Order: sequence, then C-alpha cells, then structure tokens
Amino acid sequence: QKEVEQNSGPLSVPEGAIASLNCTYSDRGSQSFFWYRQYSGKSPELIMFIYSNGDKEDGRFTAQLNKASQYVSLLIRDSQPSDSATYLCAVNSGGYQKVTFGTGTKLQVIP
Amino acid sequence: DTEVTQTPKHLVMGMTNKKSLKCEQHMGHRAMYWYKQKAKKPPELMFVYSYEKLSINESVPSRFSPECPNSSLLNLHLHALQPEDSALYLCASSPGWQGRNTDTQYFGPGTRLTVL
Repeated sequence: QKEVEQNSGPLSVPEGAIASLNCTYSDRGSQSFFWYRQYSGKSPELIMFIYSNGDKEDGRFTAQLNKASQYVSLLIRDSQPSDSATYLCAVNSGGYQKVTFGTGTKLQVIP
Repeated sequence: DTEVTQTPKHLVMGMTNKKSLKCEQHMGHRAMYWYKQKAKKPPELMFVYSYEKLSINESVPSRFSPECPNSSLLNLHLHALQPEDSALYLCASSPGWQGRNTDTQYFGPGTRLTVL
C-alpha cells in the first residue's frame, strides 16, 4: 500500500511567522512531489512541485525534498491570514500520471 | 493560462436521473482526469484519459461512465446514483507526456453533486 502521510492539524501560526508543513511517503520509487492548497469548498490549487533533493523556492514558499528520508516539506514565510487553508501533499505512484494525496494539513494563520 | 473549466457548478439529482458533468481545457493538455472528493478527505482518482484513450479506471462502479470526445473535453455520465455518491467531482488536466518531470495536474473548480 503506497501511502502519503500528513499531520491533519490544525497547525496554528501567528501572522508573519513561518509555517512548516510536513509529509512522508512510503514508495521509494516516487519521483515527483506536489503541494496543493485547498480552501474550504474549493478545488485544489497547485502551489509547487519538486523532484530533486534539496530546496526549491517560489516567492514566500519553499519546498524541501529528502528522498533518502522519504520526506517532503513546505515552508511558508511571512504567513498571512489568506494562507489559511488545507495543504495537500501529493506524490506520484504507480505511473507518471497517478498521484497519491495525503489527507492534508489544515493551516490557520492567526492575525 | 492554466484554466480548466467545469459545468455545472452545482447539481442536484434523484437516484433515477441521468445527468452529465462536463470539463474543458484549452491548454493543449493530452491527459485528463476525474476525481471524487468527499468532505475532509483527499481527492480520489476515478479515471484517467491519455491521448483520448481511457488509461486508468480505478474500479469505479458502472453507474459512472466517462467519455472523452476530443483532447479538450471530458464528460462524466451519471446514472442511477446513490446518496453516498454525493461529493465534489473534480476534473484535472496535465500535459500528458512522460518524462523525468511527472505530469503536473491542474484542477478545475469542481461540480458539487448532491444525490437525493
């Protein structure tokens, strides 16, 4: 069973702080990793993808990948109340078009 | 432009009705997907079309019938649904080529389906 695990939260951070979201996966053959943001009642919105070990930065977001530890994380700097949402980690598995989603971490940014 | 559109936004249907969900993209993507998402759960893959051919069917009941008329359109035909099929139905598309960089999927806004 290929699994993607996330802490469901809620993760509460004060406005302006760094939010750290974590994800572990079981399939060592996975090559690509995605972070989606989903507001309540809306569809998932792609934030970032990463497939090489190390860090990838895009604005206030940084994705970190460690394949040896089977761990991927998302850092959100200068968190804003508008960042309050559920963040879904997705990992490709069983083929290049098939991704497995984690259950998501709910982030609350407190003004 | 990474826009995937879905119609209708909301749909209420009885268990004996037949209805269809529609999805469209104009990004030149060659893979399209249907997902089902229940409240507080992650999206669950239902079907994948790659180059207009059904490539993945995740053992979905036959009351859900997908159709891909062309590379830009994806339909999901619904018949004799059950109340437990009520969910958010998401369409996604991706470029559709295999490479080191796994296909990145972009989601439409979804159709909120209620089965009475």
